[in-house]
Amino acid sequence: DGGITQSPKYLFRKEGQNVTLSCEQNLNHDAMYWYRQDPGQGLRLIYYSQIVNDFQKGDIAEGYSVSREKKESFPLTVTSAQKNPTAFYLCATLAGGSYNEQFFGPGTRLTVL
Amino acid sequence: GDSVTQMEGPVTLSEEAFLTINCTYTATGYPSLFWYVQYPGEGLQLLLKATKADDKGSNKGFEATYRKETTSFHLEKGSVQVSDSAVYFCALNYGGSQGNLIFGKGTKLSVKP
Repeated sequence: DGGITQSPKYLFRKEGQNVTLSCEQNLNHDAMYWYRQDPGQGLRLIYYSQIVNDFQKGDIAEGYSVSREKKESFPLTVTSAQKNPTAFYLCATLAGGSYNEQFFGPGTRLTVL
Repeated sequence: GDSVTQMEGPVTLSEEAFLTINCTYTATGYPSLFWYVQYPGEGLQLLLKATKADDKGSNKGFEATYRKETTSFHLEKGSVQVSDSAVYFCALNYGGSQGNLIFGKGTKLSVKP
């Protein structure tokens, strides 16, 4: 069953703690993305990676970090430097080639108490 | 820079009504255009896309035509169902190796029986 897995679906953390959100894919796509979604804001790009061991900052990278050690995995760490971390986080992959279609995971809702 | 503007929501319709969600874009080049749909608590799913001017994307009774002269990509459906209740996002990208999507803010659609 091919797809993108994000876990957990709901995550609660205390203010000041770092937290890592998981994103795993078995679609064999090279590129992976992290978006943040806030009510009424649409989606904003945090980080993306086009290939293993390489990643670039998106529009709102401050307070976040990522790694891309394996093609299948692209974890996102929300650090204590992120001022407003409570949001819905979506991971996506890119089919590439002539399609340019992004595939999205089910998302993780992070609440910082 | 490039941007996408969608009509403000929420939009509330009765079942079997006609739906139009307006989307206009600003782009320096010739992007691909997409409509994504997000059902409550889920990630985004690609609804339809168009890659060049005058292309019409269609899926599940939804249609949108890439209008270069008016820089628009309006989403339409002739007869909506309760199951169409969701948030709809218009987006563009240039494809290639990056494929970074630029999203509109989303339009929430509620269909009443």
